[in-house]
Amino acid sequence: KAGVTQTPRYLIKTRGQQVTLSCSPISGHRSVSWYQQTPGQGLQFLFEYFSETQRNKGNFPGRFSGRQFSNSRSEMNVSTLELGDSALYLCASSAGTVNSPLHFGNGTRLTVT
Amino acid sequence: QQQVKQSPQSLIVQKGGISIINCAYENTAFDYFPWYQQFPGKGPALLIAIRPDVSEKKEGRFTISFNKSAKQFSLHIMDSQPGDSATYFCAASHTGTASKLTFGTGTRLQVTL
Repeated sequence: KAGVTQTPRYLIKTRGQQVTLSCSPISGHRSVSWYQQTPGQGLQFLFEYFSETQRNKGNFPGRFSGRQFSNSRSEMNVSTLELGDSALYLCASSAGTVNSPLHFGNGTRLTVT
Repeated sequence: QQQVKQSPQSLIVQKGGISIINCAYENTAFDYFPWYQQFPGKGPALLIAIRPDVSEKKEGRFTISFNKSAKQFSLHIMDSQPGDSATYFCAASHTGTASKLTFGTGTRLQVTL
């Protein structure tokens, strides 16, 4: 089975711009979660989508949004980028049931200049 | 109350030795405790996980010990190998939000020859 695929791997954007990151989950997985990883704050949960609906949300501002499509693929959007948004953004998929583990992709490295 | 505290921040162990990483949590609603391993340039990969109904779980060279009353859990890596050199994260979540993991700050393990 192919793993979680995230595109692009690297992105450089300018402050004030917006960005869209993409995630293709493992085949058959209906849950997609997004995490932000930074040296200062570590790994932080952004949100989770299950069957095209946001099921859980972390403590991030409204500039961070996401969506999930009917094929379970997900996108994450960050608007009005700030320097502090520079991070590794990780997508994780799971079957979405109680005991199903998260499988992470290798992330998208976003640099905001 | 959502924190998971992890120690040590870094660890150097000789090949063949035992690596021990500790975590403590505050939220008594947490009931799922996974450990993830992350290599540079890669996303976290699930190593092993435990639920509070058992005090210990072993998979190969990796063992989780869990102390519910103390709200602590630890990862033991037996016969540590240079290939185990990576960053290790403990995490916690509760059944209602299984994909919403609260991560520890990570331990950078280096196994020397």
